[in-house]
Amino acid sequence: NAGVTQTPKFRVLKTGQSMTLLCAQDMNHEYMYWYRQDPGMGLRLIHYSVGEGTTAKGEVPDGYNVSRLKKQNFLLGLESAAPSQTSVYFCASSTGQGTTDTQYFGPGTRLTVL
Amino acid sequence: GEDVEQSLFLSVREGDSSVINCTYTDSSSTYLYWYKQEPGAGLQLLTYIFSNMDMKQDQRLTVLLNKKDKHLSLRIADTQTGDSAIYFCAETGSGTGGFKTIFGAGTRLFVKA
Repeated sequence: NAGVTQTPKFRVLKTGQSMTLLCAQDMNHEYMYWYRQDPGMGLRLIHYSVGEGTTAKGEVPDGYNVSRLKKQNFLLGLESAAPSQTSVYFCASSTGQGTTDTQYFGPGTRLTVL
Repeated sequence: GEDVEQSLFLSVREGDSSVINCTYTDSSSTYLYWYKQEPGAGLQLLTYIFSNMDMKQDQRLTVLLNKKDKHLSLRIADTQTGDSAIYFCAETGSGTGGFKTIFGAGTRLFVKA
């Protein structure tokens, strides 16, 4: 099993450009999450999904959109990138089966917006 | 909203014990977690404790939970240079929507040889 994978690993954008980050998991997990990690602020939840075809807003959703067309994939889109979106983005997944909510994380995508 | 707080840095000598502390506000927490993040990698679950437990031990790791004070700690015995990483405290509970996990900002552990 590959676990949770993310593409790309690094990306540099200019202000106003758009891009999509792809997250894939092969563990048949129902729940998937997108976080951003900024120095001294830990992880902040952007959007999450509790199943195929569902999405919901997290703590910091503005400027991002997501889609979960297939259970194994969770896409994060930036329509018009801003320097404030420079961050490391982590995808995670979990079973969501009500006991421990252990999340499995991808390796991260480092995004710089100039 | 619910919050999880940790100190940002901890420095210890190799072979000593490390204690990383965390406080949380959600009185309905069900599970509390410690995750480890090594440089350039995602977070990996180290251990977790159910809210009705006081202590959990797993090899070199000891988790202590004081539910009254909403205080969680992670003790690493015989700390090694390979333990250098960022450690995140996290919690899940009905106060967080039942399935959302709230993470602290992370404690960066430096281990000096």
